[in-house]
Amino acid sequence: DAKTTQPPSMDCAEGRAANLPCNHSTISGNEYVYWYRQIHSQGPQYIIHGLKNNETNEMASLIITEDRKSSTLILPHATLRDTAVYYCIVIYDKVIFGPGTSLSVIP
Amino acid sequence: NAGVMQNPRHLVRRRGQEARLRCSPMKGHSHVYWYRQLPEEGLKFMVYLQKENIIDESGMPKERFSAEFPKEGPSILRIQQVVRGDSAAYFCASSPRVNTETGELFFGEGSRLTVL
Repeated sequence: DAKTTQPPSMDCAEGRAANLPCNHSTISGNEYVYWYRQIHSQGPQYIIHGLKNNETNEMASLIITEDRKSSTLILPHATLRDTAVYYCIVIYDKVIFGPGTSLSVIP
Repeated sequence: NAGVMQNPRHLVRRRGQEARLRCSPMKGHSHVYWYRQLPEEGLKFMVYLQKENIIDESGMPKERFSAEFPKEGPSILRIQQVVRGDSAAYFCASSPRVNTETGELFFGEGSRLTVL
């Protein structure tokens, strides 16, 4: 079962930063936090992952709190193509998807 | 470098027929995962395979479903005697290795099964 909690939906204005929160209060020391997204029933797409340090790549930034009990995915300049369901996943041995957050980017 | 290839993309079967879904992982990947997504629902893990071995089938229905990943050729998800409730999108993913830092899976575009 998923070990994360995410809001079911969020809106974001086009061009603004989208900040997607995730709670994972039961995370253990060797479990990574991964983020995926699924655009309109396409195959899920890996975005980013981290253990305890903040991470950044060409798609997004991941901010993990010091106690590792929560994290935030940041899309710095959201576009309409970022409208998708975003999944925050804590991984030990396999990738288990929860319901995710449905992000709508609004023109 | 071709991504994960799934075929067929769309498959229509009548109740009681068999469905075979194929997945060719990315080059160099020896780990394959199958997920099912029912209409308007989330992705559910089904099975994890390495070449010639089933590693974790905890998400597979106990009857009618089977999966294989032979030494040569694609991974196959087989559904026997399909029922309407099997109508779903079936996604395959591959990865090059497994450990706690390799949750980076590469997904195919899915096979959409419709049972009439």
